[in-house]
Amino acid sequence: GDSVTQMEGPVTLSEEAFLTINCTYTATGYPSLFWYVQYPGEGLQLLLKATKADDKGSNKGFEATYRKETTSFHLEKGSVQVSDSAVYFCALSDKGFQKLVFGTGTRLLVSP
Amino acid sequence: DAMVIQNPRYQVTQFGKPVTLSCSQTLNHNVMYWYQQKSSQAPKLLFHYYDKDFNNEADTPDNFQSRRPNTSFCFLDIRSPGLGDAAMYLCATSKGQATYEQYFGPGTRLTVT
Repeated sequence: GDSVTQMEGPVTLSEEAFLTINCTYTATGYPSLFWYVQYPGEGLQLLLKATKADDKGSNKGFEATYRKETTSFHLEKGSVQVSDSAVYFCALSDKGFQKLVFGTGTRLLVSP
Repeated sequence: DAMVIQNPRYQVTQFGKPVTLSCSQTLNHNVMYWYQQKSSQAPKLLFHYYDKDFNNEADTPDNFQSRRPNTSFCFLDIRSPGLGDAAMYLCATSKGQATYEQYFGPGTRLTVT
């Protein structure tokens, strides 16, 4: 079945450092890909998405590109802030109905 | 603001004692989902409603049931909670099928004693 694998955390960075969180997927067909973020005590929020190969999703300085050849959707940000500390989930949706399959999440800790 | 609300945020129940978790939405979305998220694990879809149509995941235990009396409300019933059912339960909504974004509530953390 469909699955998502993302790097284990926690990822610990200093403020203004460059961030990469790796995500790869296995799916039949051509899924849509998502990054969700979960701040402490809150629900999941959609951070960005890409619906077809070579699409780049971006929001709040975060970017991810849908790479069909490497089945990847890595999350990047050029300069992280303390307020970016959260858990980040990579997810895919199967064709047609939007059933989300999540990765296990990566905790990001940014220190001043 | 339009949103997804879950009550209560924290619920403690006893082993084997039925419990109901509540979700409401002001988004007027057609689809409502329930996910189970255990510690340090990915959220796992239990079931969803598309309007009144109920769709159960194949591996969701019979112990978990759901009701959707109207567009705005959806309930998760756990008939006989076991210790293994302790988890965060997330409700989400989406406008419809295809690539519509899912909007999540803050979750209910269930403890089973």
